[in-house]
Amino acid sequence: QKEVEQNSGPLSVPEGAIASLNCTYSDRGSQSFFWYRQYSGKSPELIMSIYSNGDKEDGRFTAQLNKASQYVSLLIRDSQPSDSATYLCAVALKKVTFGTGTKLQVIP
Amino acid sequence: EAQVTQNPRYLITVTGKKLTVTCSQNMNHEYMSWYRQDPGLGLRQIYYSMNVEVTDKGDVPEGYKVSRKEKRNFPLILESPSPNQTSLYFCASSFGSENQPQHFGDGTRLSIL
Repeated sequence: QKEVEQNSGPLSVPEGAIASLNCTYSDRGSQSFFWYRQYSGKSPELIMSIYSNGDKEDGRFTAQLNKASQYVSLLIRDSQPSDSATYLCAVALKKVTFGTGTKLQVIP
Repeated sequence: EAQVTQNPRYLITVTGKKLTVTCSQNMNHEYMSWYRQDPGLGLRQIYYSMNVEVTDKGDVPEGYKVSRKEKRNFPLILESPSPNQTSLYFCASSFGSENQPQHFGDGTRLSIL
């Protein structure tokens, strides 16, 4: 079993819709969870970090964490074409483990 | 400007010729890390450092060396590069520990023939 799993996509959503990205992890001791966005040919940039169960909102982005289910998700409201990128889930416990990413395509 | 600087950005070299990729950060971050990114495999951690003189292996350390003699610098050394180390490499740093968000450099694209 992979330590951090994401659906590779592509996930296609129309402009203005909600995009839902999911991630599961295997290590129950994991303490910190991150979503990064990576445009093609660029370096990852932080979207959200979340440390405790529940929801965390920042503008159009909401991260959700459920440690009992070992599940973290990212919702993007009012999706824009500029949101088209690969979204990386990362989990930290001494080292940092990334999922392979979900490619999001927002269709105008 | 707060940044992580990697050099070189691109390098084509041959098997067995030692090379060093430098990484420097100006944010006084304690935690620094090296990743490689390959299609279908995502970002995989090579080595990380919690602070000066403290380094530890990540998931794919074979064939790589690192050192952390100064807080700001974390070079990645390939003593005898092989073609399977052809990849896109990222250096990253974070304040305190791995539990804080990381800032990434622009990446180094390495081709080993």
